[in-house]
Amino acid sequence: DGGITQSPKYLFRKEGQNVTLSCEQNLNHDAMYWYRQDPGQGLRLIYYSQIVNDFQKGDIAEGYSVSREKKESFPLTVTSAQKNPTAFYLCASRPGTGSGYTFGSGTRLTVV
Amino acid sequence: EDKVVQSPLSLVVHEGDTVTLNCSYEVTNFRSLLWYKQEKKAPTFLFMLTSSGIEKKSGRLSSILDKKELFSILNITATQTGDSAVYLCAVEANAGGTSYGKLTFGQGTILTVHP
Repeated sequence: DGGITQSPKYLFRKEGQNVTLSCEQNLNHDAMYWYRQDPGQGLRLIYYSQIVNDFQKGDIAEGYSVSREKKESFPLTVTSAQKNPTAFYLCASRPGTGSGYTFGSGTRLTVV
Repeated sequence: EDKVVQSPLSLVVHEGDTVTLNCSYEVTNFRSLLWYKQEKKAPTFLFMLTSSGIEKKSGRLSSILDKKELFSILNITATQTGDSAVYLCAVEANAGGTSYGKLTFGQGTILTVHP
């Protein structure tokens, strides 16, 4: 079955550590996105990528980094510079304009 | 800055009731408005609206867009407990010279349907 796989589902991080969240899709979609969701808030865009080896900052990119070396993969690194990283992270993809986004099941990151 | 506001933020109803969820927006270079349902984790796509006045319908759910007044509504008739979820409204706008737009989400409406 085609879809988006995010891993891990739950992640705990100590303060000062970098962590990388995985996002893989086998839908052959060109564009991929990372969103952050906090309680009582909607989704906020962190980074997005339209093609391999290219990506753009979203509204809250500070403290995060991404790469897009393969069409199928768009990992997100939460760096120690991100002051409040505890949140629910969602990855999404889409095949083109005029179509809806497909979301992964998310990764819940907790800083301990 | 693009802005999407949903109301109400939460709603509690009984099975069989009809509900209307609201979404207003202020964006530059509007492309489309999307509705999603989020139950546990991944939001699932409901509707994409691009033209004013054309109702989209799927079973008991329907939605319509008013581009003049900058809002959309999502209606759910004969609600069931399985409709309990967070309903997210998002607006897509052109993002500079890119061919793919970017989505701005509202806060979501938490719908609880009691038996």
